[in-house]
Amino acid sequence: DAGITQSPRHKVTETGTPVTLRCHQTENHRYMYWYRQDPGHGLRLIHYSYGVKDTDKGEVSDGYSVSRSKTEDFLLTLESATSSQTSVYFCAITPREGHKDTEAFFGQGTRLTVV
Amino acid sequence: AQTVTQSQPEMSVQEAETVTLSCTYDTSENNYYLFWYKQPPSRQMILVIRQEAYKQQNATENRFSVNFQKAAKSFSLKISDSQLGDTAMYFCAFMKRNTGNQFYFGTGTSLTVIP
Repeated sequence: DAGITQSPRHKVTETGTPVTLRCHQTENHRYMYWYRQDPGHGLRLIHYSYGVKDTDKGEVSDGYSVSRSKTEDFLLTLESATSSQTSVYFCAITPREGHKDTEAFFGQGTRLTVV
Repeated sequence: AQTVTQSQPEMSVQEAETVTLSCTYDTSENNYYLFWYKQPPSRQMILVIRQEAYKQQNATENRFSVNFQKAAKSFSLKISDSQLGDTAMYFCAFMKRNTGNQFYFGTGTSLTVIP
């Protein structure tokens, strides 16, 4: 199994509060991603990183920010949580670009509930 | 933008029978990968099979095989000799070879194997 862990695994928070989810990898992979999974939508990309301090937006980035100060850690922050951000969040990593054995390795997911 | 469509939200199959899950995608790229991921109730995302677009030969992994029709932009998954452990959500995914290794997922097909 790829060395990728997410914390926390479950969280309940109140509307308007900031929330930070952490993704930690031990694989030294360059690329890291945050996805959210919602019924009927599959997995949708929030933000991704292609190196330390190099990040870019995905298709559903509004209301989210990310930071990557070290290769192994990728943080997702909800600046002011809303009920529409209740979801399961997945972190993923991939090895170097274009490798023939490229696949995405996923963390265990974080279930976030905003009340 | 790339889109991935899975038109079968739910499917069921009798144990030991064969089932095919459909996936179509839309892209102007010529160099890309396609994947099927399995998500059992544990929520873990597990790679089932991978296909490189430049390879005409369909990928196979034990009981799992694909029918890749590049011109039609179709990528179906066939599961032979279905087992109870195959019960899961199945996601089709597309990845283009460029900066970022971004994955695009379909909305998923929930497969139930009936004893």
